[in-house]
Amino acid sequence: AQSVAQPEDQVNVAEGNPLTVKCTYSVSGNPYLFWYVQYPNRGLQFLLKYITGDNLVKGSYGFEAEFNKSQTSFHLKKPSALVSDSALYFCAVRGGGYQKVTFGTGTKLQVIP
Amino acid sequence: NAGVTQTPKFQVLKTGQSMTLQCAQDMNHEYMSWYRQDPGMGLRLIHYSVGAGITDQGEVPNGYNVSRSTTEDFPLRLLSAAPSQTSVYFCASSSRQGGNQPQHFGDGTRLSIL
Repeated sequence: AQSVAQPEDQVNVAEGNPLTVKCTYSVSGNPYLFWYVQYPNRGLQFLLKYITGDNLVKGSYGFEAEFNKSQTSFHLKKPSALVSDSALYFCAVRGGGYQKVTFGTGTKLQVIP
Repeated sequence: NAGVTQTPKFQVLKTGQSMTLQCAQDMNHEYMSWYRQDPGMGLRLIHYSVGAGITDQGEVPNGYNVSRSTTEDFPLRLLSAAPSQTSVYFCASSSRQGGNQPQHFGDGTRLSIL
């Protein structure tokens, strides 16, 4: 069975500072990894994905994520946080092929002005 | 381009009532799924479909029923509502392409069962 862990319920960071939101996964075979963002009263929006290739993936709104196969991690990063980045972030994994997607429990990011 | 449309946005039901949550997408996506979102539990998969006429159970299917008669529509039926089904429900779709495509989400249906 596949699983995703987001160990931090909330991350607080000062505006302008770098941010990291952590994600680790467990899946058989090669993983497809995704990050989504959710603003209040809205559905999830896709940020970026890792399928294969370069371990550093760049996505929307200046976000990037680093895939680490040995640590089975896919941490979300941004060099300089904005107040508007405050939202709920979800990591998700899908095993190879056309399998179900499993989501983490989400991390609330609070960027402090 | 509307994307994924869910109706209604809000609904209050009494225990034992039944209802259908509607989901429609206009992107010709093969894969559609229903999730429920509860505080501290993330998104949990209820049912999913890989194409018209094909559905399968997810992580928490009990008390819910689905069908997929067309590519566009994927309704979720609550057979006999229970307070434990109070939640926010999201529908999502993605194109097939080997499973490496992101999902597109609707804005959710907020359901309260009294």
